[in-house]
Amino acid sequence: KAGVTQTPRYLIKTRGQQVTLSCSPISGHRSVSWYQQTPGQGLQFLFEYFSETQRNKGNFPGRFSGRQFSNSRSEMNVSTLELGDSALYLCASSGSAGGMETQYFGPGTRLLVL
Amino acid sequence: GQQLNQSPQSMFIQEGEDVSMNCTSSSIFNTWLWYKQDPGEGPVLLIALYKAGELTSNGRLTAQFGITRKDSFLNISASIPSDVGIYFCAGRFNAGNNRKLIWGLGTSLAVNP
Repeated sequence: KAGVTQTPRYLIKTRGQQVTLSCSPISGHRSVSWYQQTPGQGLQFLFEYFSETQRNKGNFPGRFSGRQFSNSRSEMNVSTLELGDSALYLCASSGSAGGMETQYFGPGTRLLVL
Repeated sequence: GQQLNQSPQSMFIQEGEDVSMNCTSSSIFNTWLWYKQDPGEGPVLLIALYKAGELTSNGRLTAQFGITRKDSFLNISASIPSDVGIYFCAGRFNAGNNRKLIWGLGTSLAVNP
């Protein structure tokens, strides 16, 4: 079974631009979560989508948005980029293992804002 | 946001030594997960725990779900150089639609060959 894939792997943008990141979950997984990871801050939860609906949301400004498609693929968008948005953005898909859910991560998209 | 207290923050050990790290929370959880992250990659699930008191092994790794449901530890026995990385704990209390994982800040492990 293929793992979680994220594109692109690396991205350089300038302040004020917007960016869209893509995530394809493990086949059969319907939940996709997004995280921002920066040194010293650990993994900060952005949002979770399940069956095309946002089910949970973290404490990020409205510049951060996401969506999920009918095939469970998800995108996140960051508008009006700021220098502080430079981070590794991780996508995780959830499925059931023995009836319980665990999250499986993609390799991440490293975003650098100049 | 809410975070777990994960310790130690970093460790530098000799190859062959055993390692222990733990996470504590002010809230009770019914799921504890342990992940390892290599540089430039996403975290990889090591061990998942679902019941208080549960002790689970994965090769040289052993993790336990604390009986109070507020803590968990991860042990690595006979460390090797490829154990280098950042280890994260994560916990969740499933209640209705509250399914967010709460994360520790990680334990950075360095192994001296």
